[in-house]
Amino acid sequence: DSGVTQTPKHLITATGQRVTLRCSPRSGDLSVYWYQQSLDQGLQFLIQYYNGEERAKGNILERFSAQQFPDLHSELNLSSLELGDSALYFCASSVSGSMNQPQHFGDGTRLSIL
Amino acid sequence: TQLLEQSPQFLSIQEGENLTVYCNSSSVFSSLQWYRQEPGEGPVLLVTVVTGGEVKKLKRLTFQFGDARKDSSLHITAAQPGDTGLYLCAGPTTSGTYKYIFGTGTRLKVLA
Repeated sequence: DSGVTQTPKHLITATGQRVTLRCSPRSGDLSVYWYQQSLDQGLQFLIQYYNGEERAKGNILERFSAQQFPDLHSELNLSSLELGDSALYFCASSVSGSMNQPQHFGDGTRLSIL
Repeated sequence: TQLLEQSPQFLSIQEGENLTVYCNSSSVFSSLQWYRQEPGEGPVLLVTVVTGGEVKKLKRLTFQFGDARKDSSLHITAAQPGDTGLYLCAGPTTSGTYKYIFGTGTRLKVLA
């Protein structure tokens, strides 16, 4: 058990819809990372938040947004969903803002777009 | 754009055999991490290497960071079925957009 909690575990929705994925980091961790994993693209870094502020941005589409709340949990919002957004979405957390620190991953949210 | 290329992509071996997985880049990394991922789960961190030439051992797993910090390897001695999984190297970029990138992955299957 990594201590990182992601909800929901599975999500099925239709094209054009909007969903919110939630992540609770390990106790004491200040950074939250979001990743997308698909068969053809592998694990792709989307965005990092550190102590409530955006720290680094990766391959995140404009239709996607994230935020980290004062209690340090984070949400990833995906809108105008397309078939290609079907993937596993992982959240990870680490103690500090440095990407050299170990990251601890949740078990992911599997998003299926019909 | 910094990339991490892993080889081989797939590996199927018998229990007791040794194997090496490679992670290569044309760019320098300040650190590299190795993860193992099993189906339906998130990646689990195995090790972080930071210093060029560094060697770290984790039971039957030996990790090495290249002298120039552009490559790394993972050697497994006497592989066991429990070693089956997807092995990923990863690290923070040091040029261009600052982000965390994963290698292309090596899918290992150890047969009993």
